[in-house]
Amino acid sequence: DSGVTQTPKHLITATGQRVTLRCSPRSGDLSVYWYQQSLDQGLQFLIQYYNGEERAKGNILERFSAQQFPDLHSELNLSSLELGDSALYFCASSLRDGPPYEQYFGPGTRLTVT
Amino acid sequence: AQSVTQLDSQVPVFEEAPVELRCNYSSSVSVYLFWYVQYPNQGLQLLLKYLSGSTLVKGINGFEAEFNKSQTSFHLRKPSVHISDTAEYFCALSGGSNYKLTFGKGTLLTVNP
Repeated sequence: DSGVTQTPKHLITATGQRVTLRCSPRSGDLSVYWYQQSLDQGLQFLIQYYNGEERAKGNILERFSAQQFPDLHSELNLSSLELGDSALYFCASSLRDGPPYEQYFGPGTRLTVT
Repeated sequence: AQSVTQLDSQVPVFEEAPVELRCNYSSSVSVYLFWYVQYPNQGLQLLLKYLSGSTLVKGINGFEAEFNKSQTSFHLRKPSVHISDTAEYFCALSGGSNYKLTFGKGTLLTVNP
């Protein structure tokens, strides 16, 4: 158990809908990262927050957004969902930015868009 | 741009045999290198990391990796594998102005009895 929690574990929804994925980092960790794992694209970095502020952006679609709240939990919002958004979404947290601070991964949220 | 190439998508081996999972990287800046393991239906767990110093890095579960800057490689090795090592292994790097991880496509290690 990494100490990072993600809810829900599974999510099934229809095209065009909007969903919110939630991540609670390990106690004391300030940095939160979101990654998407799909069969065709592999593991890709989406976005990073550090102590409530956006720190870096990766291959995140405009239909996707995220935020980190004062209690440091983070939410990833996915809207106008398409079949291709079906994937495993991971959240990771680290104490501070960058090495040597290890990124600890949550168990993921499996999103299925039908 | 940074990239990671894992040269084998699948590696089948027999129990107690040695194994090497190959990883090459490309980056214009200094990098930090990592190996993660993903067991079925689970998140990623860090096996080992190279930040600086000794090029031979030891990790958990008996794994080790060697950083070779001239070959831009970071191959993962284990002298004797167990059935429980069956999993997907990801090589990743971090470097430059932010600390996101760039992952390879993964290598599925299957250990057969």
